Amino acid sequence: ETGVTQTPRHLVMGMTNKKSLKCEQHLGHNAMYWYKQSAKKPLELMFVYSLEERVENNSVPSRFSPECPNSSHLFLHLHTLQPEDSALYLCASSQFRGGGTEAFFGQGTRLTVV
Amino acid sequence: QKEVEQNSGPLSVPEGAIASLNCTYSDRGSQSFFWYRQYSGKSPELIMSIYSNGDKEDGRFTAQLNKASQYVSLLIRDSQPSDSATYLCAVNPTTGANNLFFGTGTRLTVIP
Repeated sequence: ETGVTQTPRHLVMGMTNKKSLKCEQHLGHNAMYWYKQSAKKPLELMFVYSLEERVENNSVPSRFSPECPNSSHLFLHLHTLQPEDSALYLCASSQFRGGGTEAFFGQGTRLTVV
Repeated sequence: QKEVEQNSGPLSVPEGAIASLNCTYSDRGSQSFFWYRQYSGKSPELIMSIYSNGDKEDGRFTAQLNKASQYVSLLIRDSQPSDSATYLCAVNPTTGANNLFFGTGTRLTVIP
């Protein structure tokens, strides 16, 4: 198994649909992240979970709802999205050691909202 | 004010030359700094981390950190066409040590 696995790799959904993105890490890390990557913009940090508790929510609209049932799994539940939400959604994990953290990314989910 | 700033490029260098990529950050208390490489259509891949002032070398890559100037750079020696990618600078800010903020990235093209 690769370090961080995301499914699905590609997703097309209508604005009224509900879907979920899944992330699984096999690195034994204690923190997991969701990032959004849009063209011409920096990676945007959406959510951070540390030891299964959400420690950061960067003013993300409520149509994005994260879930972290355990330290190895992270979900992003999507509902009533807008076309501007189309982007590459990246999951990452790290082992937080207090002095900084090296994050490792999954392959991403390319989301298109129609 | 942007947290992490990079020149978006594109930066073109001939094969075998040194590529120099630069990054500045706004949080003076930041402690950890990272360089990621992202090929088109792929996810970011960690290539270097640096935590203290000075240089850190790993093969053809050298990361340089100057906390007083809030500046971090990446040098790629003997550039190869396979180095052509977007290079992302990332910083752990003082607040929220789990967070990792990225610049927009610099697109590097190595010309054979």
